Amino acid sequence: KQEVTQIPAALSVPEGENLVLNCSFTDSAIYNLQWFRQDPGKGLTSLLLIQSSQREQTSGRLNASLDKSSGRSTLYIAASQPGDSATYLCAPSGGSYIPTFGRGTSLIVHP
Amino acid sequence: EAGVVQSPRYKIIEKKQPVAFWCNPISGHNTLYWYRQNLGQGPELLIRYENEEAVDDSQLPKDRFSAERLKGVDSTLKIQPAELGDSAVYLCASSLGGRGPYNEQFFGPGTRLTVL
Repeated sequence: KQEVTQIPAALSVPEGENLVLNCSFTDSAIYNLQWFRQDPGKGLTSLLLIQSSQREQTSGRLNASLDKSSGRSTLYIAASQPGDSATYLCAPSGGSYIPTFGRGTSLIVHP
Repeated sequence: EAGVVQSPRYKIIEKKQPVAFWCNPISGHNTLYWYRQNLGQGPELLIRYENEEAVDDSQLPKDRFSAERLKGVDSTLKIQPAELGDSAVYLCASSLGGRGPYNEQFFGPGTRLTVL
């Protein structure tokens, strides 16, 4: 059974810092990995989807990398802003394309 | 383009009462997912549909939960009777289906259920 761990569980930083959020998973036989953000009381918003054949994906200030063989993905957030405050979830998907979610990293960016 | 629509957004019921949640996926998305998210946890899959066929329902508590997607478009998830432990956020998601980038999932806002 796939297990997903996200570190750190919580992060509080001043505006402008570059951030690294880590995701590790136990079963490397994945087809893709998706990063989401979740605002309080809201659903999940897709940020990036990385296919298993890719090493990284970029969208604006976000960059996600994938090292499938070691079971790790990293989300980089450049020049953080207060609007980035949310919970960030990673979800690798295996052969049935069913994602397994971690508990997330709760991020607070203060002005 | 409209996103995934869910209703109601909030529901408060007494235990042993029935409750139903509705989801309308993004137009053209063949795959529909229902998840349950407990406080402080990531979502957990309850059931996945490919068009109108339920292809993965191993995590659905079938003694009290049921779901349907009759025409392969919108879907309903029902709980009867509800228990205190069913209090959670119920999320619906959809994707185009298939391999590669078509598997990107898009989520609705969720229904927050409170069972008293």
